[in-house]
Amino acid sequence: AQSVSQHNHHVILSEAASLELGCNYSYGGTVNLFWYVQYPGQHLQLLLKYFSGDPLVKGIKGFEAEFIKSKFSFNLRKPSVQWSDTAEYFCAVNMEYGNKLVFGAGTILRVKS
Amino acid sequence: DTGVSQDPRHKITKRGQNVTFRCDPISEHNRLYWYRQTLGQGPEFLTYFQNEAQLEKSRLLSDRFSAERPKGSFSTLEIQRTEQGDSAMYLCASSSQGSNQPQHFGDGTRLSIL
Repeated sequence: AQSVSQHNHHVILSEAASLELGCNYSYGGTVNLFWYVQYPGQHLQLLLKYFSGDPLVKGIKGFEAEFIKSKFSFNLRKPSVQWSDTAEYFCAVNMEYGNKLVFGAGTILRVKS
Repeated sequence: DTGVSQDPRHKITKRGQNVTFRCDPISEHNRLYWYRQTLGQGPEFLTYFQNEAQLEKSRLLSDRFSAERPKGSFSTLEIQRTEQGDSAMYLCASSSQGSNQPQHFGDGTRLSIL
């Protein structure tokens, strides 16, 4: 069965620090990859997605992610975080032609101002 | 885009009672999904519909759970004879057809079993 691993459950950073959140998945076939964010008190929102083409994808609010097929990874990055980036971040995968999303356990990011 | 709407936002009930949740998807989306999320975990897939047809169900969906989407618009998720372990956030999402189409999530219904 597919699974998704997010390496850190809690991350605390100061404003302007760089961010990298790890995500690895287990599935040998073609996948679609997503990062979702959940701000306090809000619903899950799509940050970015990858399904083909350039493995470096850019999303909203200055986030980007890189798909490395050989490592089964889709890490999320942001060069300089802001206090408003405090949220929980979820990596999710579905198989090509699949339907359900398989989510990681999430990473709670707290940015100190 | 009015977003995915779920009702109620919170439900508190006694063990053994039946509960029903409603989800209204984004109007132009023909796919609708239900997920369950417990503390410290990501959402787990329960079931999904394409139009009115329920096309996939997770093994997590025991016989006490039933979902419908009778006219291909809103959906309901019913849990019969609730148990303590059913306490969770129940999330609904909708999307256009295609595995690369992002799923848009509602605010969820938080179920607490006393």
